[in-house]
Amino acid sequence: AQTVTQSQPEMSVQEAETVTLSCTYDTSESDYYLFWYKQPPSRQMILVIRQEAYKQQNATENRFSVNFQKAAKSFSLKISDSQLGDAAMYFCAYRLETSGSRLTFGEGTQLTVNP
Amino acid sequence: GAVVSQHPSWVICKSGTSVKIECRSLDFQATTMFWYRQFPKQSLMLMATSNEGSKATYEQGVEKDKFLINHASLTLSTLTVTSAHPEDSSFYICSARLAGVKNIQYFGAGTRLSVL
Repeated sequence: AQTVTQSQPEMSVQEAETVTLSCTYDTSESDYYLFWYKQPPSRQMILVIRQEAYKQQNATENRFSVNFQKAAKSFSLKISDSQLGDAAMYFCAYRLETSGSRLTFGEGTQLTVNP
Repeated sequence: GAVVSQHPSWVICKSGTSVKIECRSLDFQATTMFWYRQFPKQSLMLMATSNEGSKATYEQGVEKDKFLINHASLTLSTLTVTSAHPEDSSFYICSARLAGVKNIQYFGAGTRLSVL
């Protein structure tokens, strides 16, 4: 079975600083996608960034970037220049190409941004 | 971006009654929608996959007679919690798949169900 592990239940960062959230996954497949979703207090799930496993280049979206290490099955999220609005629960998720879009989520990391 | 509307956002009901939650894709057609359940401070647990025009596929341990899913059109899926009990109180979230190259799931804002 595919699993996603986020080993940091809580993280905190000072405003304007950089923080990295960890995620590891376990799969025997080679064709898959990885995602980071953000869930703020409103509980609306928001897609932050996605990465195709076949791409070696790390995905970036403005202040958000990932460090994708396929051999190590690691997919960390780096948030640069942290803002108060970044405070949220962050979920790492995995999807097999053959799964019909079925997402498997990690346990989540609660990020606090201190002013 | 793609918008998914979920209604109601909060519902309180008496034990033994049924509650219907709607999930609509507002600006795209979704052949596949998903229903999740989320307990406080926990992750999302997939309950079922809803395919337009066919029966939903339920995850192991989810009672299909308890959680009725209907996906009658390309923009609407409904989840009905039948004969609700206090243990059904939870946060329910739907998502809709935007098919294509990116094949991304977009989420509704969720429904908080409280069963008295």
